Amino acid sequence: AQSVTQLDSHVSVSEGTPVLLRCNYSSSYSPSLFWYVQHPNKGLQLLLKYTSAATLVKGINGFEAEFKKSETSFHLTKPSAHMSDAAEYFCVATKGRDDKIIFGKGTRLHILP
Amino acid sequence: SQTIHQWPATLVQPVGSPLSLECTVEGTSNPNLYWYRQAAGRGLQLLFYSVGIGQISSEVPQNLSASRPQDRQFILSSKKLLLSDSGFYLCAWSASRDSPLHFGNGTRLTVT
Repeated sequence: AQSVTQLDSHVSVSEGTPVLLRCNYSSSYSPSLFWYVQHPNKGLQLLLKYTSAATLVKGINGFEAEFKKSETSFHLTKPSAHMSDAAEYFCVATKGRDDKIIFGKGTRLHILP
Repeated sequence: SQTIHQWPATLVQPVGSPLSLECTVEGTSNPNLYWYRQAAGRGLQLLFYSVGIGQISSEVPQNLSASRPQDRQFILSSKKLLLSDSGFYLCAWSASRDSPLHFGNGTRLTVT
């Protein structure tokens, strides 16, 4: 069965330092992969998506993610954290017209001043 | 451009009272529509999804129901709320199953 694992429930980084949010998927085929961000009491906003066109995907707000099939990973990175990046981040996988949309449990990113 | 509207933003209801949350999408036709619930400290739980008018799939048996009376309208209802129905409810739409989801701003429901 397809699954998405976000390895860290909380990540804390200092402002101006790099961000790494980890996501692994379990699938016998290459899914479509997404990262969403959720600020408190708000809906989720799409950061970026991978749909097999390129393994390195650039998103909004300086975020990017790299699809590594050999590692079944789709980690989210940003070179320099900003205070406004403090939020919860969700990794999502889906594939095909009939498969379910699978959410990871989320990673809460804390930015230290 | 496409927009999604969800209301109300917050709601406090007593146990046993009915519920109706509404979601509408503009700027697209025949969208896939979804209702999710997010409990405190947890991820998103898919409650219902719809691929067309009158077509509703339920993911989790519970005290809630959904309806799609029009192409771009999705309603979440309950006849009698339970304390466990408290949570953050999110409506979303997508063009297809493997397209990005577009979320509304959510409804914070507190059942007292």
